[in-house]
Amino acid sequence: EADIYQTPRYLVIGTGKKITLECSQTMGHDKMYWYQQDPGMELHLIHYSYGVNSTEKGDLSSESTVSRIRTEHFPLTLESARPSHTSQYLCASSAYSGKGTDTQYFGPGTRLTVL
Amino acid sequence: DQQVKQNSPSLSVQEGRISILNCDYTNSMFDYFLWYKKYPAEGPTFLISISSIKDKNEDGRFTVFLNKSAKHLSLHIVPSQPGDSAVYFCAASGGSNYKLTFGKGTLLTVNP
Repeated sequence: EADIYQTPRYLVIGTGKKITLECSQTMGHDKMYWYQQDPGMELHLIHYSYGVNSTEKGDLSSESTVSRIRTEHFPLTLESARPSHTSQYLCASSAYSGKGTDTQYFGPGTRLTVL
Repeated sequence: DQQVKQNSPSLSVQEGRISILNCDYTNSMFDYFLWYKKYPAEGPTFLISISSIKDKNEDGRFTVFLNKSAKHLSLHIVPSQPGDSAVYFCAASGGSNYKLTFGKGTLLTVNP
């Protein structure tokens, strides 16, 4: 099982602020993901990375950006936060498990509220 | 168009009884299915998975059944415990695409 960490756990900020959500994993997984989830809704993939210097946009359009300079670190940045960005942001990582595909393991999430 | 559907938003069962959570999918390319459990304000926790080459996978109190012809899978929890109360998400992936597609989740409440 992956050890994956997210900071901060909770963040309340004003409109227009720049924020960075941190995500780190200690298992050496090559793949990492960012999801956005609202209550009662499915998790939506907003970014993913299959390795260092590789990043792709997910299925849900997002104004955020990501970087993958080190295997263990996958931060997400919002240049100018808006109330519509209020959500829970979940980071995950995975590596091939030999069972057909990867199993993704999630961090505890960051609950972001933009006022 | 939702490719993974969990049609029951909530389910309530008595402690000790069986909980059955259902999931339907529409994409025939999906070949790997997972169940996650999520408490409020926490990240999802992986529970159990199944490959399309199998029709059943069991891990302790948790069993997942897959019916490929019906594009349906279910998670059975026996016996249910109050600590099982959480939102359960069904997820699927297909081919060489490692991305997961999630359902909207089912809130399970196990009453003492």
